[in-house]
Amino acid sequence: SSELTQDPAVSVALGQTVRITCQGDSLRSYYASWYQQKPGQAPVLVIYGKNNRPSGIPDRFSGSSSGNTASLTITGAQAEDEADYYCNSRDSSGNHHVVFGGGTKLTVL
Amino acid sequence: EVQLVESGGGLVKPGGSLRLSCAASGFTFSSYSMNWVRQAPGKGLEWVSSISSSSSYIYYADSVKGRFTISRDNAKNSLYLQMNSLRAEDTAVYYCARILSGATTTFDYWGQGTLVTVSS
Repeated sequence: SSELTQDPAVSVALGQTVRITCQGDSLRSYYASWYQQKPGQAPVLVIYGKNNRPSGIPDRFSGSSSGNTASLTITGAQAEDEADYYCNSRDSSGNHHVVFGGGTKLTVL
Repeated sequence: EVQLVESGGGLVKPGGSLRLSCAASGFTFSSYSMNWVRQAPGKGLEWVSSISSSSSYIYYADSVKGRFTISRDNAKNSLYLQMNSLRAEDTAVYYCARILSGATTTFDYWGQGTLVTVSS
């Protein structure tokens, strides 16, 4: 099966820009989706497809992809953005499975 | 408003069984693929299973294949997960999640989850 790799932890100063990355072979063929999860809450979709935001997601969240790496960028991070972020995509082995990255804990300083 | 409400979690002994349910409302349930995703305590998200809108296509993670069965009842707007031969490593919060229309792996709505604890 395919794997998606994320940095376990990233920090950013309040108001600055941070990029969270997700690497995996499947990302050469499929876009990643990104989810934000705060403690004790269910995940929330923040980015999907080439660079699409669901209704209600601030435009400081954006996505991009190059080769085997997908990125979630937060431009002007806010205190409320402190959370765990997960990427996911389709398994590249053709078995229709879904894979998640291990998650990145974002700390806003 | 889209709502997904899971139920059926609880404490079960190793080797036991449990059936989770997910009640959907606020959208045309029969038009969407649905999934179960779990999260062990303090760990990341793990996809468990998916089922297409008409139940024609069903897939399982290797970790649960042969032990778990996903199903749905479109007349009752409900998704189910029958879990048999449970193991300690199945302990997790189980979320039901809707697949974004036209997508394959984008989960646009999630329930609040139900906790399954497998312990003697």
